[in-house]
Amino acid sequence: DAGITQSPRHKVTETGTPVTLRCHQTENHRYMYWYRQDPGHGLRLIHYSYGVKDTDKGEVSDGYSVSRSKTEDFLLTLESATSSQTSVYFCAISETANSPLHFGNGTRLTVT
Amino acid sequence: GDSVTQMEGPVTLSEEAFLTINCTYTATGYPSLFWYVQYPGEGLQLLLKATKADDKGSNKGFEATYRKETTSFHLEKGSVQVSDSAVYFCALPNSGNTPLVFGKGTRLSVIA
Repeated sequence: DAGITQSPRHKVTETGTPVTLRCHQTENHRYMYWYRQDPGHGLRLIHYSYGVKDTDKGEVSDGYSVSRSKTEDFLLTLESATSSQTSVYFCAISETANSPLHFGNGTRLTVT
Repeated sequence: GDSVTQMEGPVTLSEEAFLTINCTYTATGYPSLFWYVQYPGEGLQLLLKATKADDKGSNKGFEATYRKETTSFHLEKGSVQVSDSAVYFCALPNSGNTPLVFGKGTRLSVIA
């Protein structure tokens, strides 16, 4: 398995609080991604990174920000969590833009 | 942008039955096409891929043929097992080199 660790694995938080999810990789892959998975919607891209300090928005980026200060870590921040952000969040990595993605095991976030 | 449409689930089959999960795509040019599988409690993992028209991807008894004339990449398996119970996702890169776009997923349950 590709070396991808997501933390925390589970989190419950209250509406309006900030939340940061972490993705750590040991593969030295250039590309990293954050997706969310919701029933009826499949996987939707939130943000992605194509290098240190290089990021871009996905289709559902509103309410989320990301940072990548080093190759191995990609952080997803919810500045002020809302109930609509209750979801399972997956980090993925790939060597190139066209390489297959390798996924972490997900973070289940519940916003009450 | 590019997109995929896959059949709605859930699909329930008896062990040893034949499986088809339909996937059609809309794309500029001829992108690579992918099938990913998600087992319970895990992230997605690549099942198979095809990189050009008429290619057949195969893995673990699953097959899919890239058919440009029908813009399809249907997933098939001749004899399913209980262990194949999972959610299956069809995917392709968005136009250019942007990240993968996923279908909404098809949940397969195989009963003994």
